[in-house]
Amino acid sequence: QKEVEQNSGPLSVPEGAIASLNCTYSDRGSQSFFWYRQYSGKSPELIMFIYSNGDKEDGRFTAQLNKASQYVSLLIRDSQPSDSATYLCAVKSAGGTSYGKLTFGQGTILTVHP
Amino acid sequence: KAGVTQTPRYLIKTRGQQVTLSCSPISGHRSVSWYQQTPGQGLQFLFEYFSETQRNKGNFPGRFSGRQFSNSRSEMNVSTLELGDSALYLCASSGGDTQETQYFGPGTRLLVL
Repeated sequence: QKEVEQNSGPLSVPEGAIASLNCTYSDRGSQSFFWYRQYSGKSPELIMFIYSNGDKEDGRFTAQLNKASQYVSLLIRDSQPSDSATYLCAVKSAGGTSYGKLTFGQGTILTVHP
Repeated sequence: KAGVTQTPRYLIKTRGQQVTLSCSPISGHRSVSWYQQTPGQGLQFLFEYFSETQRNKGNFPGRFSGRQFSNSRSEMNVSTLELGDSALYLCASSGGDTQETQYFGPGTRLLVL
């Protein structure tokens, strides 16, 4: 089982729709959860982070965390063609052996079509 | 604040050579992590430096090494390059918040021929 798994893509949504991206993780000791966006040929760009169970909203983005289910998601409301990118879920575990280490999922490719 | 910078942006090397990549973190950030990104393996953690000390290391061979200077700038070195080392090498800096939020540089794209 992979440490961090994301829903297989690619995901295609029409402009203006809600895009839902999902991620599960295996380490129950994980403490921090991040969503990055990566455009083709570019480096990952931080979108949001979440540490506590529940929802966290930032503009059109909402991150949801459920530690009991080991599940984190990202919702993108009013999707725009400029949101078309690969979305990476990253998880940080607690403890000294996890210094500076994020474990990434394989990414979900999102395409927003006009 | 200026973001994370990496040099060079592109490199072409041949098998057996060695390469050194440089990373300057966001001002005030003391932690620098390095990652390798390939289409097949995705983003994989190489190592992390904090205050000139390597605190963590991923599962890469000893050919991959790094260091950090007193101004928090970091370098990574790959010796005896192999074709499979072709990848995007990313560094990320963190400012020491408890959750260690990381911000990535633009990356160095290495092609080994």
